[in-house]
Amino acid sequence: GAVVSQHPSWVICKSGTSVKIECRSLDFQATTMFWYRQFPKQSLMLMATSNEGSKATYEQGVEKDKFLINHASLTLSTLTVTSAHPEDSSFYICSARKGTGGFEYYNEQFFGPGTRLTVL
Amino acid sequence: GEDVEQSLFLSVREGDSSVINCTYTDSSSTYLYWYKQEPGAGLQLLTYIFSNMDMKQDQRLTVLLNKKDKHLSLRIADTQTGDSAIYFCAERNDQAGTALIFGKGTTLSVSS
Repeated sequence: GAVVSQHPSWVICKSGTSVKIECRSLDFQATTMFWYRQFPKQSLMLMATSNEGSKATYEQGVEKDKFLINHASLTLSTLTVTSAHPEDSSFYICSARKGTGGFEYYNEQFFGPGTRLTVL
Repeated sequence: GEDVEQSLFLSVREGDSSVINCTYTDSSSTYLYWYKQEPGAGLQLLTYIFSNMDMKQDQRLTVLLNKKDKHLSLRIADTQTGDSAIYFCAERNDQAGTALIFGKGTTLSVSS
């Protein structure tokens, strides 16, 4: 159990267009989903935390209007990169958490396989 | 703020043991994790340790935690070529929230 999928796995788009990336928890309900960005040979940087039914909490330096996050259901969160530019090219990884926070192990985050975005 | 540091590269021969080290700064960390990332793929949880433990063994993997020195290590016994990947150390502080703080990752290269 605890499978997280992302779609698409790879997307190439023209500069100025918007791209939507989906993150789904396939066999559990995720109260919280996280979006990370990974540059080549770099660590994962948390972009935002989204809780179902509420606005996402963005990390410092992440533009809310640029990276729109919607968490409309307990199994789906979407990240939309608006007016994408070449510097937005990156590997975007989502994770989903079962629990509500606290000391339990099941609050582990389960990661999606990632989406590689290339903006031309 | 919190910081997690790892050495960037480790090269071993097949059959040898690999030891990947990690240091962290947040003394309130409750869980510490090791993730594996193969080329072009997402993250796979390898193992985790709760902060009140000092060792955990899971088949070929041994995690050692020195909470006093804030040092975490991952030992892979009988390393195989399929173990070649990037290994990320991550920590979580339940009191501050549940986001993970990752290290930059250690690239493990296993030669036959």
